[in-house]
Amino acid sequence: TQLLEQSPQFLSIQEGENLTVYCNSSSVFSSLQWYRQEPGEGPVLLVTVVTGGEVKKLKRLTFQFGDARKDSSLHITAAQPGDTGLYLCAPGNEKLTFGTGTRLTIIP
Amino acid sequence: GAVVSQHPSWVICKSGTSVKIECRSLDFQATTMFWYRQFPKQSLMLMATSNEGSKATYEQGVEKDKFLINHASLTLSTLTVTSAHPEDSSFYICSVNVGLVKNPYEQYFGPGTRLTVT
Repeated sequence: TQLLEQSPQFLSIQEGENLTVYCNSSSVFSSLQWYRQEPGEGPVLLVTVVTGGEVKKLKRLTFQFGDARKDSSLHITAAQPGDTGLYLCAPGNEKLTFGTGTRLTIIP
Repeated sequence: GAVVSQHPSWVICKSGTSVKIECRSLDFQATTMFWYRQFPKQSLMLMATSNEGSKATYEQGVEKDKFLINHASLTLSTLTVTSAHPEDSSFYICSVNVGLVKNPYEQYFGPGTRLTVT
């Protein structure tokens, strides 16, 4: 089993601040995906990173895949209340084994 | 992508009874669907892979006789929790895997079913 540890587990910050959350493993992945889950809903795919060192941007969200393809980070600039949710990473396999998750709360 | 629905969105049942949860792929023919369970404040845990026309594949530690999965058509998979107990109370979510040229694996999730066993 490819265990993915996410940190921090919980994060609560003020609107307008920047933040970074992490997804780490000792395993090497061919690709890695980030999902966001809002309360009472299913997760929604945000991005898939494939190449070591790859950086992808989705508006105020910046995703980076580690050079060794063992870890990834998600940076949010100028956080907004709509960014609140559970952020999950998972290897881009047919069967998803999610990381432990980061629960993010943006305070207006 | 794929649009996935679940029914019911929430259900309360008494201990010892069985409850069936439906997962429908509305615009995509899915030979494979996945079932997840999520406890409060926790991540999603894969329970089983539902295979159209054949037996489901269960993850380690998931009781196949307790969580019955049927995938009788390309658009419908059902999860039946048999002899439910309070510890089965959870948020159950299904997903459909859509293979695309650019992203080999993209999963689209249903809105989830909250089960409460009293």
